[in-house]
Amino acid sequence: GAGVSQSPRYKVAKRGQDVALRCDPISGHVSLFWYQQALGQGPEFLTYFQNEAQLDKSGLPSDRFFAERPEGSVSTLKIQRTQQEDSAVYLCASSLTDRGATEAFFGQGTRLTVV
Amino acid sequence: GESVGLHLPTLSVQEGDNSIINCAYSNSASDYFIWYKQESGKGPQFIIDIRSNMDKRQGQRVTVLLNKTVKHLSLQIAATQPGDSAVYFCAENAGGGADGLTFGKGTHLIIQP
Repeated sequence: GAGVSQSPRYKVAKRGQDVALRCDPISGHVSLFWYQQALGQGPEFLTYFQNEAQLDKSGLPSDRFFAERPEGSVSTLKIQRTQQEDSAVYLCASSLTDRGATEAFFGQGTRLTVV
Repeated sequence: GESVGLHLPTLSVQEGDNSIINCAYSNSASDYFIWYKQESGKGPQFIIDIRSNMDKRQGQRVTVLLNKTVKHLSLQIAATQPGDSAVYFCAENAGGGADGLTFGKGTHLIIQP
């Protein structure tokens, strides 16, 4: 596709429910990033993949958060036993190179609301 | 801890005027900076970037200035248009192979007719 695609655009989950958020990066992009954006705040780094390898997961807020990119393309961010504080927009970004210091293209995000 | 921050949360300018959005950073190891524009309900959109070995870079109607001495970054938008209304974020990469970007909180730019 022409850009980074995320689905679903909106997700409402009951507290305690598990959710899975999908990211389709730009074809051929080596790097994939997940960010969490709370209302009125800037995005905060969650995790980074270089192809299928998860090289950095230092930003994941708890062990309820899990991300994978098994074939080095599509990625899924999974949140187990969702809590109200997980409500945020989850953004996926991809970049052509394998370095963090380069232009990254963002998807439109998935807005997660935990009720 | 070290962070990227912005001086003003909201900036209002008249259509056609120039605007300047400022950003302070505190991580002296940062070697790459980037400005993103985010419209309501959309993901951040790349505007312009600059590496630490430069102090100025120009794009179409935008200029980024980097002052490493005082750890200050600015985005200048010339001849603002209604479509420039958005939240603008500066972000940095800490260098040394660091992954991802550290974003500031954003400045809401409002273009008045």
